[in-house]
Amino acid sequence: QQQVKQSPQSLIVQKGGISIINCAYENTAFDYFPWYQQFPGKGPALLIAIRPDVSEKKEGRFTISFNKSAKQFSLHIMDSQPGDSATYFCAASDNFNKFYFGSGTKLNVKP
Amino acid sequence: DAGVTQSPTHLIKTRGQQVTLRCSPKSGHDTVSWYQQALGQGPQFIFQYYEEEERQRGNFPDRFSGHQFPNYSSELNVNALLLGDSALYLCASSWYIGGTEAFFGQGTRLTVV
Repeated sequence: QQQVKQSPQSLIVQKGGISIINCAYENTAFDYFPWYQQFPGKGPALLIAIRPDVSEKKEGRFTISFNKSAKQFSLHIMDSQPGDSATYFCAASDNFNKFYFGSGTKLNVKP
Repeated sequence: DAGVTQSPTHLIKTRGQQVTLRCSPKSGHDTVSWYQQALGQGPQFIFQYYEEEERQRGNFPDRFSGHQFPNYSSELNVNALLLGDSALYLCASSWYIGGTEAFFGQGTRLTVV
């Protein structure tokens, strides 16, 4: 039983476009929702994270939108660049120390 | 300040063998968690160590065991290796109390043949 469901599996976006990745969860005890970026051969790197008491968080070109009632959250990458091409994982945690990850989205930003 | 370091980076083992992977947490962190990432999948939680004790465990068999040392570094041991154990093994460090994000190492790529 997957605790966090992520879509789409892959995404192709033109340079300068907006990349949107969606995640859904069931466990209402989750209270921390990070997004990780992973390049081939590397470990996941924290990109941005949100707590459920806010509906949106923005850091540079990256924005998390959070819908507590729908138990959904999404990552928006504005002005997508070829260097953003990577695999993105959403995750959820109820105590910061154990994370449930989505299955990942492979993003390809075309020049 | 060194981040999370893992060794070795790559490893090839034969079915039935045993393997030990190592992790040094980010400076100041006291908690180490281990994850298994199969090809094309998200990381799956194996277990977590704090104060040299296993605190939480995911859905992994007893063939997977670990240890944490007084300096907070950790080892992951896998016995009786199966082909299905081939994966990227990730170590994440954090503070146990206070809540903070987890920092991941680069991982150890284990191939079982």
